[in-house]
Amino acid sequence: SAVISQKPSRDICQRGTSLTIQCQVDSQVTMMFWYRQQPGQSLTLIATANQGSEATYESGFVIDKFPISRPNLTFSTLTVSNMSPEDSSIYLCSVEDWAHYPEQYFGPGTRLTVT
Amino acid sequence: KQEVTQIPAALSVPEGENLVLNCSFTDSAIYNLQWFRQDPGKGLTSLLLIQSSQREQTSGRLNASLDKSSGRSTLYIAASQPGDSATYLCAVITRGGSNYKLTFGKGTLLTVNP
Repeated sequence: SAVISQKPSRDICQRGTSLTIQCQVDSQVTMMFWYRQQPGQSLTLIATANQGSEATYESGFVIDKFPISRPNLTFSTLTVSNMSPEDSSIYLCSVEDWAHYPEQYFGPGTRLTVT
Repeated sequence: KQEVTQIPAALSVPEGENLVLNCSFTDSAIYNLQWFRQDPGKGLTSLLLIQSSQREQTSGRLNASLDKSSGRSTLYIAASQPGDSATYLCAVITRGGSNYKLTFGKGTLLTVNP
């Protein structure tokens, strides 16, 4: 199974600022995913990031608010732009493991609080 | 649109009890179903994955079953321990074009009391 790390693990930010979250995988993967988990809620997919192409965003999420980079097969970043308190969530990176089936593995998450 | 429901939302049991967590989904055209564990403020740990052609998977004290036609899965935890306390999430995996998509339930918060 893939081992995924995220930085930072948590942060407290002022409204109106931006935060970039990094996701590193210990193996090369084609697709990486970014999820948001708002307090008391389940996970919602923000976007899918393929290396070498533009990220694909889910309904309700836009590139201006959540720009994503995918410079190589082991790394991705998600930026939360112009933050408001409603952006306070856990942000999680995940990858698919195709060794056997499309099983997904998740990073430890980044807990973001916007004041 | 796929919807995933988990019942109960919260469960508190004494140590040693066997328990069942339930997951239902509205669209039976799933590829796989995956159960995760999430500790407070942490990421997700994959527990079990059941392919759509399978009926159950076992790992240690955990057993997950799948009835695709009725849109249901259960996670059975035997001889529960305080260390099992966490939120348990069910996710169904469907295929959309060339991608696979996970749809999560809201989870069951399990507390096992010593």
